Amino acid sequence: AQSVTQPDIHITVSEGASLELRCNYSYGATPYLFWYVQSPGQGLQLLLKYFSGDTLVQGIKGFEAEFKRSQSSFNLRKPSVHWSDAAEYFCAVGNTGNQFYFGTGTSLTVIP
Amino acid sequence: DTAVSQTPKYLVTQMGNDKSIKCEQNLGHDTMYWYKQDSKKFLKIMFSYNNKELIINETVPNRFSPKSPDKAHLNLHINSLELGDSAVYFCASSRGGITEAFFGQGTRLTVV
Repeated sequence: AQSVTQPDIHITVSEGASLELRCNYSYGATPYLFWYVQSPGQGLQLLLKYFSGDTLVQGIKGFEAEFKRSQSSFNLRKPSVHWSDAAEYFCAVGNTGNQFYFGTGTSLTVIP
Repeated sequence: DTAVSQTPKYLVTQMGNDKSIKCEQNLGHDTMYWYKQDSKKFLKIMFSYNNKELIINETVPNRFSPKSPDKAHLNLHINSLELGDSAVYFCASSRGGITEAFFGQGTRLTVV
């Protein structure tokens, strides 16, 4: 069975500081991994995705994520956080059957 | 143009009523989904349709019935609404195969 764990329910960082959001997945085959962001009252927007190839993937808004098969992880990073990055972040795993399974989300607060 | 659009954005209704949420995508995707996001932000898949055929039907009360009149539309009808149905419902679509899902803005359903 596929599952995604986001260990951090809530993270607070100062504006300009670096950010890392953790994601661990469980999936028997090659995982297809995603990070989505949800701003208050909005839908989910895709930040980046990993299907194959280079394990460091770049996304929108200056985000990147690294796939580590040995650790079953796909952590999201940003070198310098902006106040507008405050949102809910979801990691997801997909399969060739078009099924997507989401983690429970990490809420990010950015303080001035 | 909005890629995945849902109507209405907000829906307040009394217990016992029947209501529908509509979803349309203009991306030419083959697969559409309904997700439920509870008060803790957890996203749970409810239904998935591929080319108008149901392919995922998670454990959802049979008061919930999806209807796909064509590939671009997937509506959600809910009978005999209960307080526990209060949530945000997201429609999504994907191209099929190994690809990401695109989400609508969500419908916040409040049952009073």
